[in-house]
Amino acid sequence: EDQVTQSPEALRLQEGESSSLNCSYTVSGLRGLFWYRQDPGKGPEFLFTLYSAGEEKEKERLKATLTKKESFLHITAPKPEDSATYLCAVQTYTDSWGKLQFGAGTQVVVTP
Amino acid sequence: NAGVMQNPRHLVRRRGQEARLRCSPMKGHSHVYWYRQLPEEGLKFMVYLQKENIIDESGMPKERFSAEFPKEGPSILRIQQVVRGDSAAYFCASSPMGEGLNSGNTIYFGEGSWLTVV
Repeated sequence: EDQVTQSPEALRLQEGESSSLNCSYTVSGLRGLFWYRQDPGKGPEFLFTLYSAGEEKEKERLKATLTKKESFLHITAPKPEDSATYLCAVQTYTDSWGKLQFGAGTQVVVTP
Repeated sequence: NAGVMQNPRHLVRRRGQEARLRCSPMKGHSHVYWYRQLPEEGLKFMVYLQKENIIDESGMPKERFSAEFPKEGPSILRIQQVVRGDSAAYFCASSPMGEGLNSGNTIYFGEGSWLTVV
């Protein structure tokens, strides 16, 4: 059975304190791995899609990497506005496009 | 560049009533997806629609739930005879294409419709 597990569940950081979030997956035939950010009361905001092991993508203070078993979202020198829940989702070749399997998320709080 | 538009943002229904949630995809997008986020649970896929077609409804509850995406107008998620367990956030997402690893074929989410059943 396909599984997507995110860790830690929650992370509290001081402003400027870099850290990494983990998304481990066991799926048959990964087509893509997605990272989203979700603020309270809002919809998921797209960050990255990764397609193959070794791929990396960056956006401002965020960098996503992918291996054959997991993905990391690195937050470099975070600011309070980076506080959010970060969601990881996988899409497999056997699923229809748009059918994403989400992890439970990592809630990040960055304090000044 | 308007995003995925959902309405209403908040909806309160009494048990047994019907709830209708509407979604207009991003401009140029012809593929729509509905997800549900129950309290303290992750996002779960419900259904994938194209204009006038249901492509994948593997995540839809077998009873009381239906979805459509007509030729004209928004996609509608309809919940009949609501129960307290239907209280959740319902998110609509859209993409320009149904297949392909084109970097432009990203799946974008709306702000959600929060349903409360009292």
